[in-house]
Amino acid sequence: DGGITQSPKYLFRKEGQNVTLSCEQNLNHDAMYWYRQDPGQGLRLIYYSQIVNDFQKGDIAEGYSVSREKKESFPLTVTSAQKNPTAFYLCASSIVDGWQYFGPGTRLTVT
Amino acid sequence: AQKITQTQPGMFVQEKEAVTLDCTYDTSDPSYGLFWYKQPSSGEMIFLIYQGSYDQQNATEGRYSLNFQKARKSANLVISASQLGDSAMYFCAMRVDYGQNFVFGPGTRLSVLP
Repeated sequence: DGGITQSPKYLFRKEGQNVTLSCEQNLNHDAMYWYRQDPGQGLRLIYYSQIVNDFQKGDIAEGYSVSREKKESFPLTVTSAQKNPTAFYLCASSIVDGWQYFGPGTRLTVT
Repeated sequence: AQKITQTQPGMFVQEKEAVTLDCTYDTSDPSYGLFWYKQPSSGEMIFLIYQGSYDQQNATEGRYSLNFQKARKSANLVISASQLGDSAMYFCAMRVDYGQNFVFGPGTRLSVLP
């Protein structure tokens, strides 16, 4: 089955630690995206990538980093510089002129 | 500025009745796409329906239809014959920047009453 996988579903970390969220797709989509969602809120774009080895900052990139070494993978690192990292993180992919397919999301809790 | 506005934070509808969720958009792109997603309490985002800016007819997908009024810059979602399982957050979204990016609205929480 084609789709997007995000792991783990729940992630707990201590404050001051970097953490990497996984996102893998087997849809052969060129574009991939990372969003953050806070409770009761909409989606805010963190980073997006249109092609391998290239990515652009979204609206709230500070404190986050990404890489796109393979078409299928777009991991997101939440660094210790992110002041309020506890949130629900959604990864998505799309083709040109298409809609976005989303993964199941990762709920990150930092204490 | 590229923006999606959803003015209804919450909506209630009786089971089996129709409901309209409002969405207005703002963009200067000559070509764009409009989407609706459903987000149940599990958190997954489920694609519902798509409307291209040059499409002449309103999109329909089963019980979902998109009422597209280009001059008014509105793209309302109509759900017919509501079901209890339709209770969820609904997000209107727009593809912009010549297909490179997406903008989401703040969402509308729909509650279907038995």
